[in-house]
Amino acid sequence: SQTIHQWPATLVQPVGSPLSLECTVEGTSNPNLYWYRQAAGRGLQLLFYSVGIGQISSEVPQNLSASRPQDRQFILSSKKLLLSDSGFYLCAWNDRAEAFFGQGTRLTVV
Amino acid sequence: AQKVTQAQTEISVVEKEDVTLDCVYETRDTTYYLFWYKQPPSGELVFLIRRNSFDEQNEISGRYSWNFQKSTSSFNFTITASQVVDSAVYFCALNPGTYKYIFGTGTRLKVLA
Repeated sequence: SQTIHQWPATLVQPVGSPLSLECTVEGTSNPNLYWYRQAAGRGLQLLFYSVGIGQISSEVPQNLSASRPQDRQFILSSKKLLLSDSGFYLCAWNDRAEAFFGQGTRLTVV
Repeated sequence: AQKVTQAQTEISVVEKEDVTLDCVYETRDTTYYLFWYKQPPSGELVFLIRRNSFDEQNEISGRYSWNFQKSTSSFNFTITASQVVDSAVYFCALNPGTYKYIFGTGTRLKVLA
């Protein structure tokens, strides 16, 4: 069966510090991978998606970047965090029938 | 333009009441998929249902039922005899046959004992 791992679950980082969130998928090959952000009390905003290794599409210009170094690994990064980067980050993959989500990372930038 | 609107930001009901969560979508595609997800306090999104644009049959799963009406571009979700465990944020989503999923802003449901 397919599973998706996302870590860490929670993170508190100071403004200006770097960020690296990692997501890995098991049980499938060549998945479409996604990073979403959910700001407090708001909906899900698509940040990046990837249809293959090294292929990244950005939906919203921002302080973040994404990389896909391996087929089933998707990384969300920032060189310098801003206060506005705080939120709940969700990794997902889909098989065209359904999107499966990780358990999320709650990031607080202080 | 593709869009999902969940006009109800928050709903509170008393346990055992029925509640309907509204979802209205916009797309020009003839083939698309609609979804409902539940987000409990833990944060993880839990898949509830997928419906494709060619299947307008309503579906019932236990206390959950979904009413898909293409004529009004709506995909509403009803919980019958609500329970406290149903308290969560519920998201409606549209996949217009591409790589993207478009989510509504969610409806927070509070079921009071």
